[in-house]
This record gives sequence, C-alpha cells and structure tokens, in this order.
Amino acid sequence: RKEVEQDPGPFNVPEGATVAFNCTYSNSASQSFFWYRQDCRKEPKLLMSVYSSGNEDGRFTAQLNRASQYISLLIRDSKLSDSATYLCVVNYESGSARQLTFGSGTQLTVLP
Amino acid sequence: DGGITQSPKYLFRKEGQNVTLSCEQNLNHDAMYWYRQDPGQGLRLIYYSQIVNDFQKGDIAEGYSVSREKKESFPLTVTSAQKNPTAFYLCASSVQGGWRTDTQYFGPGTRLTVL
Repeated sequence: RKEVEQDPGPFNVPEGATVAFNCTYSNSASQSFFWYRQDCRKEPKLLMSVYSSGNEDGRFTAQLNRASQYISLLIRDSKLSDSATYLCVVNYESGSARQLTFGSGTQLTVLP
Repeated sequence: DGGITQSPKYLFRKEGQNVTLSCEQNLNHDAMYWYRQDPGQGLRLIYYSQIVNDFQKGDIAEGYSVSREKKESFPLTVTSAQKNPTAFYLCASSVQGGWRTDTQYFGPGTRLTVL
C-alpha cells in the first residue's frame, strides 16, 4: 500500500468550477501536511500547508481529518492558470530526521 | 536574489558513464535533499543532508553518491551502477532538517537521459 495515495485524475473542469482533491496517508504518526503545485516539466512549489483546524488562502481551502488520515484541497472559482498537478505531501520520521513523502499527484486541467 | 540553482537543465549520458548533477543554494539553509521523479510518480528521496559533512541515504540511494563539503552545495553523482537513471532530478533545501520538517524549496531540476 502506498504511503500517500491520490486520485491521479485527470480532472477536466470548466473555468469557474469548484473542484476538490482528496489524499489519504498510511502513517498515523505523520505530523505535517502540505499541498504542492507542479506545472508541466517544472519543479514543485508549495501551495499551502495544512493545519488541523483547516485553513484557507484565497480560493484554496485545505482540510485535515486525522481520524480518517485524509487531507483535502478545494479550489473555488477555478482559473485557467490553476491547471497543474497537485501533490499531496506528508512528513514521516526516519531515523533522526523527519522526511517528506509525496503522493504521485492529481492532474487538473481547467478548460475555457 | 536568493534561491536554488541546478545545472545543467538537460543532460545526456551514455550507458556506463558516471555523471554529476550540481545543486547550489544561497538561502543559508542547513538541510538539502535529492529526489528523482519518474513520469506519473511521486518524488522519491535519494539522499539528504542535515548539516555540512554529513548525509544520509534516502529510500532509493543505490547507484548514487553525494557529498556535502560546503553548506551551499550538494552535488549528486549518478553512477554506472544505477540501473535506470533516466529521470527528472530535483534538489531541495529547507531551513533545518531535524525534528521539525520545514517547508522544502525546490530547484528547477535536471532532466537526465541515458542514451
């Protein structure tokens, strides 16, 4: 079983739509959670951290459900520029360090 | 202008050759990381370093080697022992890599193709 699982998509939505991505993780000791955005053939860039109480940044809302080991990302009023792959990222402990585990990403295409 | 740079952007290698990928950061970050990404897959950790002159194997270290002689630099060597080296290689850094995992910032990546 993968440590971080995401629906690969692709999600094709019209401009202005609301779209939600889900992610599940297997390590119940995970402490930090993130959403990264990766454009085609580019490096991942941090979109937002995910906090226990849920957090919002403009059109983006992230939520965490520790009991179900589940993270979500909601994008409202989607724009063409939101087209990208969204990576769910979870930390885990390995030896003396905490490292990040990346999901394989969910591809979003926003259509005009 | 602070950031992480990787070079070259594209690299072609013949089978059996070693090749070194450069990663430099001027963010004064203690921790640096190397990942590889294959099509349709998540990033997998190759090596990481929390401090100068120290580094640890990640999940897929076989066939790779690193050094951390300077805080700003964390070069990765892909050796001929790496069975399937064609991939997108990403270097990242974070303020610290200890107990609390900080946000990681990525360089633009190097695409390695073995001919």
